[in-house]
Amino acid sequence: DQQVKQNSPSLSVQEGRISILNCDYTNSMFDYFLWYKKYPAEGPTFLISISSIKDKNEDGRFTVFLNKSAKHLSLHIVPSQPGDSAVYFCAATFTGNQFYFGTGTSLTVIP
Amino acid sequence: GAVVSQHPSRVICKSGTSVKIECRSLDFQATTMFWYRQFPKKSLMLMATSNEGSKATYEQGVEKDKFLINHASLTLSTLTVTSAHPEDSSFYICSARFPEAQDSETQYFGPGTRLLVL
Repeated sequence: DQQVKQNSPSLSVQEGRISILNCDYTNSMFDYFLWYKKYPAEGPTFLISISSIKDKNEDGRFTVFLNKSAKHLSLHIVPSQPGDSAVYFCAATFTGNQFYFGTGTSLTVIP
Repeated sequence: GAVVSQHPSRVICKSGTSVKIECRSLDFQATTMFWYRQFPKKSLMLMATSNEGSKATYEQGVEKDKFLINHASLTLSTLTVTSAHPEDSSFYICSARFPEAQDSETQYFGPGTRLLVL
């Protein structure tokens, strides 16, 4: 079964507003979480990550929140820009040897 | 939910030998699978697109004679690293496109295979 789930396959947001992408996981052993951004015909590009010892990590317009008790991860993009339109994957790992990816959420930022 | 598995999860081999990595879709038929290589900054580089029953499409800069891809069935794609060298040491990840959404970028990823070439 999928250990990392992104239940929203798509999301549309107006330019300038906040985009919130969600991710749930089942394995409490995961200790590191990542978000990737993917454009068509390219490989996923690393965006931002968070260790399980933190609950928030911020990098410019991107902030990742981790709620360990709920086994929930979210990525906030503020303000959203048209160039943010892409597919976003969350991933989780422990020991760093295997990655478990969600199935992706396609974000469309409307100008 | 659909799952993609990879085997082996980790492999150590001697320089000059060949290594085969399997990617299987466990409960769906995947007409298209992708092979990625992870680099130190964690981003994944698309190596090739594997289509069942036809030759794989390789990305620019990827040696097709070195990285042999075979997609012999709707549930299995294999990547063979031939005459492996230490610089081939990396993390290789496969993914399968949703079968009902051929134009979609959403994919099921395998857990990856860590290759170490001594």
